[in-house]
Amino acid sequence: QMQLVESGGGVAQPGTSLRLSCAASGFIFSSYPMHWVRQAPGKGLEWVAVTSYDATNKYYADSVKGRFTISRDNSKNTLYLQMNSLGPEDTAVYYCVRSDCSGANCFDYWGQGTRVTVSS
Amino acid sequence: DIVMTQSPDSLAVSLGERATINCKSSQSVLSSSNNKNYLAWYQQKPGQPPKLLIYWASTRESGVPDRFSGSGSGTDFSLTISSLQAEDVAVYYCQQYYSTLRTFGQGTTVDIK
Repeated sequence: QMQLVESGGGVAQPGTSLRLSCAASGFIFSSYPMHWVRQAPGKGLEWVAVTSYDATNKYYADSVKGRFTISRDNSKNTLYLQMNSLGPEDTAVYYCVRSDCSGANCFDYWGQGTRVTVSS
Repeated sequence: DIVMTQSPDSLAVSLGERATINCKSSQSVLSSSNNKNYLAWYQQKPGQPPKLLIYWASTRESGVPDRFSGSGSGTDFSLTISSLQAEDVAVYYCQQYYSTLRTFGQGTTVDIK
């Protein structure tokens, strides 16, 4: 059974860092691009970043470029999001998402999310 | 970036009636190489992650009830719930995956009248 389990969320002070993790199971993790998507309280969905299946290509939303780094360890079936220089605007639930959809590359499996709150 | 705009922001429909949500992209998401529209629809219920309903603009994901259907091409798309059920109360999002920088519509809340 496919599972994506995020961890690492919590309360952080502005200007500090957090690292999120996403443990994948039930599928061949190393074969799929993986994304982070976030949702601020009461707001819509915002795509954050993507890494290719082999981590050779990575792309970011303008809102996080230069501050966030997506990475993966295929030997551990784990996706990461290193978040630096956090600001209140980064407060959100962060979802780990697989893209496949039978080759369409839309988002077919989502984790339950981990909550990040940036506040002093 | 491709901007996705949904309408309306919210709608209330009687049980058993039809609900239609529109989605417009700022540029075409139709690929000339495979003639496919890179457009998906997701459903999100309170406290849950989004769930994929439709991809390639009109292909229903496995297990999704056939009262959900997607249509459109190029820049204009629609999601239709043919006969609204109580369990369909949710927020619905369209998303383009034409661009590597994926973008979502702002969401449409569907409720019971």
